[in-house]
Amino acid sequence: EAGVAQSPRYKIIEKRQSVAFWCNPISGHATLYWYQQILGQGPKLLIQFQNNGVVDDSQLPKDRFSAERLKGVDSTLKIQPAKLEDSAVYLCASSLRGASGTDEQYFGPGTRLTVT
Amino acid sequence: QQPVQSPQAVILREGEDAVINCSSSKALYSVHWYRQKHGEAPVFLMILLKGGEQKGHEKISASFNEKKQQSSLYLTASQLSYSGTYFCGTEEAGSYQLTFGKGTKLSVIP
Repeated sequence: EAGVAQSPRYKIIEKRQSVAFWCNPISGHATLYWYQQILGQGPKLLIQFQNNGVVDDSQLPKDRFSAERLKGVDSTLKIQPAKLEDSAVYLCASSLRGASGTDEQYFGPGTRLTVT
Repeated sequence: QQPVQSPQAVILREGEDAVINCSSSKALYSVHWYRQKHGEAPVFLMILLKGGEQKGHEKISASFNEKKQQSSLYLTASQLSYSGTYFCGTEEAGSYQLTFGKGTKLSVIP
């Protein structure tokens, strides 16, 4: 079974530029999550989708971050414009069942973003 | 609200045991444990649902005390492969999302 795929793996941009991350979850997984992990911290949930609907985006900085999940499968996360404090690893995860945190989450390898 | 993990870091020799604690001030529905090795994605270890059940997986087990909103991860006879950062993720009743702690860095040395 293929795991969660993410691209790119690394990205370096200057502040005020824009960047986009892509995630392909495990086939058949209904729920998709985007997390931000700052060095030395645990993952912080940014947005949670169930199929192509948003379950929770309360911690997404909506003035600069946006996310969508096309046709309930792939997802993109965009930052525009980027700030220095956005430097982090962006993790995508998916789980089989619906919008319940009791489900095992499978994480992708992440995208390491450096904003200079 | 972010759960509190303790200790922040621990160093073990192969074969020694360790306990990692996770506590929350909120009423919890479940606690999840993940291990993350340097530069890699977090990997699922186990889920504990309210009810005080204890789960085990080979030499790694965990318990959940719902009255105290605390969970503990037990690693026995540690192996070099156990090295990494352990995160607990807590789900508050009705939230349908996980909030992760800051992690406990475990280093196992020969």
